[in-house]
Amino acid sequence: EAQVTQNPRYLITVTGKKLTVTCSQNMNHEYMSWYRQDPGLGLRQIYYSMNVEVTDKGDVPEGYKVSRKEKRNFPLILESPSPNQTSLYFCASSPGTRQYFGPGTRLTVL
Amino acid sequence: SQQGEEDPQALSIQEGENATMNCSYKTSINNLQWYRQNSGRGLVHLILIRSNEREKHSGRLRVTLDTSKKSSSLLITASRAADTASYFCATDPIYYYGGSQGNLIFGKGTKLSVKP
Repeated sequence: EAQVTQNPRYLITVTGKKLTVTCSQNMNHEYMSWYRQDPGLGLRQIYYSMNVEVTDKGDVPEGYKVSRKEKRNFPLILESPSPNQTSLYFCASSPGTRQYFGPGTRLTVL
Repeated sequence: SQQGEEDPQALSIQEGENATMNCSYKTSINNLQWYRQNSGRGLVHLILIRSNEREKHSGRLRVTLDTSKKSSSLLITASRAADTASYFCATDPIYYYGGSQGNLIFGKGTKLSVKP
């Protein structure tokens, strides 16, 4: 089944403790993105990648890192999470037009 | 930066009525897409309209695009309680080299509530 998977789906952590949210797609898509969704602010793009080893900042990249070492995976890294990074995170992949979204990761940083 | 802006922010209607949501954007686009999100879940693609198209239909959905006004509308006819969700427009901007980066810009969404 064609899909985008994210792990974990839910995470509660503490300030400063490094974490990684994984994202994987099985559709051989070149484009992948990370978004965060906050009430009243809609979806805001964090980072995107147009292909392996090609990444670029979105609207809200501060405090986040990404890597694209292989086509199927696009992990989101929070080196030192802070409470303002509490949010609902979505990974998406695209062949170049429509996007396919993962189920989301709800992150709480205490 | 945010490009698509949906209007209204929230819409409440009775089952069977039509729902119309609007989207405005700022720059030239390759295409405009509409997505649906059920509470807290991943977005699901509904329909894509290219910049050279003016209207597109898919089931009970009708999308229009006016590139001169940089606006689009999504019409859901004969709405059902199951249509209750948030709806987002997303634009695929044309970049300086004339192409696409496969990088959509989403608006803040319209929250639709359909009462039985």
